[in-house]
Parts: sequence; structure tokens; C-alpha cells
Amino acid sequence: SQQGEEDPQALSIQEGENATMNCSYKTSINNLQWYRQNSGRGLVHLILIRSNEREKHSGRLRVTLDTSKKSSSLLITASRAADTASYFCATDSPRGSYIPTFGRGTSLIVHP
Amino acid sequence: DVKVTQSSRYLVKRTGEKVFLECVQDMDHENMFWYRQDPGLGLRLIYFSYDVKMKEKGDIPEGYSVSREKKERFSLILESASTNQTSMYLCASSSTRRTANTEAFFGQGTRLTVV
Repeated sequence: SQQGEEDPQALSIQEGENATMNCSYKTSINNLQWYRQNSGRGLVHLILIRSNEREKHSGRLRVTLDTSKKSSSLLITASRAADTASYFCATDSPRGSYIPTFGRGTSLIVHP
Repeated sequence: DVKVTQSSRYLVKRTGEKVFLECVQDMDHENMFWYRQDPGLGLRLIYFSYDVKMKEKGDIPEGYSVSREKKERFSLILESASTNQTSMYLCASSSTRRTANTEAFFGQGTRLTVV
């Protein structure tokens, strides 16, 4: 069963614009993670935000978490063509907090 | 540099064959996972293991089994491959030691085609 669901499914923007992706989940969590996947490759961890945190930054990435709404957002500022990838949120599984449960992902295309 | 290595990037097998997908990690992680990824369905958990010789079913274990005889190696077995098991298979590992977060490290994926 999938905990997190990303929105939108697909996003197409121009280089230099900001990209915002959202994730909603169903049950309470200990942490939420965002991953990136280049076409045909494995996933790479981007950032983890704990349930007691509201916002976190890493370079051009900004993640927010609203546990009352059971939602998170990933903002990529000043996007580049190299940011083109699929982005997934992962939450705890009901089976165990160490088991990442993924949504269907957002496919981001950044046009040069 | 941390590493999760899957034995094959691409694999083509025939219906009914027994298929082994191997995954090795060099980070001394306790946890290892097998996911399959299909268009429009995201990543779905097949099996996971939190220790040597321990294994737990994920969300879609039917038609699969796993083996974890050594801490660094987690094998996914398709007992009798079928065309609906054509997919991208992703292995991951993580640690839950006190000082570690639950970041998962992924292999490069194995694209399996069953014909």
C-alpha cells in the first residue's frame, strides 16, 4: 500500500523557474524523505525532514512539512536542465519506520 | 563512497525460468529491500530484510522469494518467471543504528524482461 502520493504527476518548466512538487500521506510519520531518479537509474536521496521539523534547506532545495495536513512540498529554486528527473517522496511504512514507502513520483522536465 | 551493486543492468529471461537477482552492499547495513518499479505505479515493496537470515514480505511478494545468508547480500528469486514480472527491480539498503538516519541507498536497477 502506498503511503505518499506526489502531485503533480508531471511538471514542465523553463530553466531558471522554480519547481514545486507536493506529497500527501495518510498516517502519522516519523520522517519524510525526498528522492530523485534519473531516467533508467536508481534513486538518490535528496533530503530527510523529521516530523518535528517544519522546514529544511539543502542548496537549491527547500522542503516543508505540515503534519497537521499530512503534506510536504519540495521546492527546487532556479531550476536547471540537469534537474530533469523523477522525484519521489518516501514516508514510514506501517510495517516499520525504517521501511521507506514511496509514492508514484513527479516527473519534472526542465527545458533549456 | 557507499555502494549498492546489482549484478545486472539488463536481463532477458524466458517464461518459466528461475531467475536470480543479486544485490550487494558495502556499508554494513542491517536493512535491505527489493522494490519493483512500473510506469504509473511507482515503487512497490516486494520483500525486505532487517538482519541476516531474516526476511519479511512486502506489499507484493507473490511469485518471489528472497535469501539473505550474509549481511551484505540480498537475493531476489523469481521461482518461475512470468511475463507480468517484466519490470525494473531496485535494491536498497539502510541502517537503523542510533547515529544513522533512515536514508536508503539504491542500486542502479535491473531491467528484467521476461519473454
